[in-house]
Amino acid sequence: EAQVTQNPRYLITVTGKKLTVTCSQNMNHEYMSWYRQDPGLGLRQIYYSMNVEVTDKGDVPEGYKVSRKEKRNFPLILESPSPNQTSLYFCASSLQAGGFSSYNEQFFGPGTRLTVL
Amino acid sequence: DAKTTQPNSMESNEEEPVHLPCNHSTISGTDYIHWYRQLPSQGPEYVIHGLTSNVNNRMASLAIAEDRKSSTLILHRATLRDAAVYYCILRAIHRFGNEKLTFGTGTRLTIIP
Repeated sequence: EAQVTQNPRYLITVTGKKLTVTCSQNMNHEYMSWYRQDPGLGLRQIYYSMNVEVTDKGDVPEGYKVSRKEKRNFPLILESPSPNQTSLYFCASSLQAGGFSSYNEQFFGPGTRLTVL
Repeated sequence: DAKTTQPNSMESNEEEPVHLPCNHSTISGTDYIHWYRQLPSQGPEYVIHGLTSNVNNRMASLAIAEDRKSSTLILHRATLRDAAVYYCILRAIHRFGNEKLTFGTGTRLTIIP
């Protein structure tokens, strides 16, 4: 089944304890992205990756890191989590991005609910 | 990014058609109109997109006004599974080709059995 998977789905942690949320897609997609969803703010992009060679900041990258060592995986790393990073996180992927004359739908993972105490 | 405006909430009876409106008066000529929906406790999922002409797929239809300043997502026969938040989004390609989706607050659709 074509899908985007995230792990863990739920995580409660404490301030300052490094954590990684994994994201993996099995559709051979080039483009991957991380969003966070907060009440009243919608989904905001954290980081994105056009392919394994290009990764860049989104709108709210502070406090997060990512890596794209292989096409299928795009982990989100919180080196020193803080309570303001308590949120619902979504990973998304699409076949490719940036084509003005075509569009590839984005597929989202099921979400990771993170609580930082 | 050009902005979209949607009603906060709508209700519809099961098995009846639903028309979800979206205003996008500042749309540019190259902006595609996308619709995604988010079912409870799930990630967003793609519904449909279009540029100028009306579009149909297995999930829904998209009716685009002639001046493109508004559009309507049509669910032909709503079921309880269609209860979700529906987002109308204008496509914008950002730096390096980033296809960031700018989600607003969307329309929360409630289906009445």
